[in-house]
Amino acid sequence: ETGVTQTPRHLVMGMTNKKSLKCEQHLGHNAMYWYKQSAKKPLELMFVYNFKEQTENNSVPSRFSPECPNSSHLFLHLHTLQPEDSALYLCASSLGGGPASGTGELFFGEGSRLTVL
Amino acid sequence: AQSVTQLDSHVSVSEGTPVLLRCNYSSSYSPSLFWYVQHPNKGLQLLLKYTSAATLVKGINGFEAEFKKSETSFHLTKPSAHMSDAAEYFCVVTTSGTYKYIFGTGTRLKVLA
Repeated sequence: ETGVTQTPRHLVMGMTNKKSLKCEQHLGHNAMYWYKQSAKKPLELMFVYNFKEQTENNSVPSRFSPECPNSSHLFLHLHTLQPEDSALYLCASSLGGGPASGTGELFFGEGSRLTVL
Repeated sequence: AQSVTQLDSHVSVSEGTPVLLRCNYSSSYSPSLFWYVQHPNKGLQLLLKYTSAATLVKGINGFEAEFKKSETSFHLTKPSAHMSDAAEYFCVVTTSGTYKYIFGTGTRLKVLA
């Protein structure tokens, strides 16, 4: 049990589908992250939320839409994706970060393996 | 600006022999450095972290790393490899006051019986 739970673990969708990935953390952290992990590429930061407010959007296409209703939950809404969006999507959380605090480590979920047909 | 370079994309060792995974970093400020491990189809697990305390950091599963400012390195070592150590390892750098964690491209460790 990592403290960060992602669902679903596997998802197959067509290019016209709409689906969502969910992440939940039980660690009392303030910051939550979405990363994309593709084969033979470094981890790519997609979005960061701190206390429900988006602090980073790393030039992610609008077909990916994040939502953070509270500090414990993070969603990634997916629509009209492309086959090149197939990847492992990792959610993480941390305590701290931001201009006035120390930087703690990231705690990762197990990931959601997305396949776009 | 920050960056991290993992010098080897693949490392193979025999079971029971030492492991060395190399990481060099670049940072304009005092860095925090981490090593993570990822087993197939799993998330990343923290092995150890350096955050400006002791330069020799001990982590889980017998791993340790030494922060060397003069060499801008943070290499990961283990005295004796075990089959269960076979995985991908990531070196990560960040600084206080930021949400940007910079990941290396990973080193895949293979342990031979």
